[in-house]
Amino acid sequence: KNEVEQSPQNLTAQEGEFITINCSYSVGISALHWLQQHPGGGIVSLFMLSSGKKKHGRLIATINIQEKHSSLHITASHPRDSAVYICAVRNYGGSQGNLIFGKGTKLSVKP
Amino acid sequence: SAVISQKPSRDICQRGTSLTIQCQVDSQVTMMFWYRQQPGQSLTLIATANQGSEATYESGFVIDKFPISRPNLTFSTLTVSNMSPEDSSIYLCSVRGGWETQYFGPGTRLLVL
Repeated sequence: KNEVEQSPQNLTAQEGEFITINCSYSVGISALHWLQQHPGGGIVSLFMLSSGKKKHGRLIATINIQEKHSSLHITASHPRDSAVYICAVRNYGGSQGNLIFGKGTKLSVKP
Repeated sequence: SAVISQKPSRDICQRGTSLTIQCQVDSQVTMMFWYRQQPGQSLTLIATANQGSEATYESGFVIDKFPISRPNLTFSTLTVSNMSPEDSSIYLCSVRGGWETQYFGPGTRLLVL
């Protein structure tokens, strides 16, 4: 079993829909990251969470430390949101650089 | 924040050859990280590059296959040596910022024929 699991693996939505991507992890963490990867391969950090909830524009990220679960929500989705969304955690006691990554959720938003 | 550039952005190489990927950061950083993302897979840490010392490799990665240089606090290179088709991946450079933040380069997409 992977230490970081994301669901769904693939998601197709119509423009304007509310989208939720889930991430569950099985290790103790100091932080959780939500990342966005576009087709060219580059990765942009969207959020870094250690507790609670963060909002940036149409994106909302929440984390429940007790349940070891995080969600990324996109409101009023748009075709430009189409990308792979990756959840990554920094493990307590892990090597300083090492994030543990989920396999990603591929989102496609149709106009 | 940190802005990271990588060269080349993509390349197609023949098996048995080597490719050196460059990573440049717009600020001085202690640790730089090299990741590999094989098709359909999650990112995997190859090694951590510290300025002035040998890189630290993760399990499954060795210096002979992935030699790394770190000549100063803003630059690093990763070489993929004696390439095979299994090395076809996206290679990403990354640095840590302030507490827990992390920044990634645009990636180098490598195809080995």
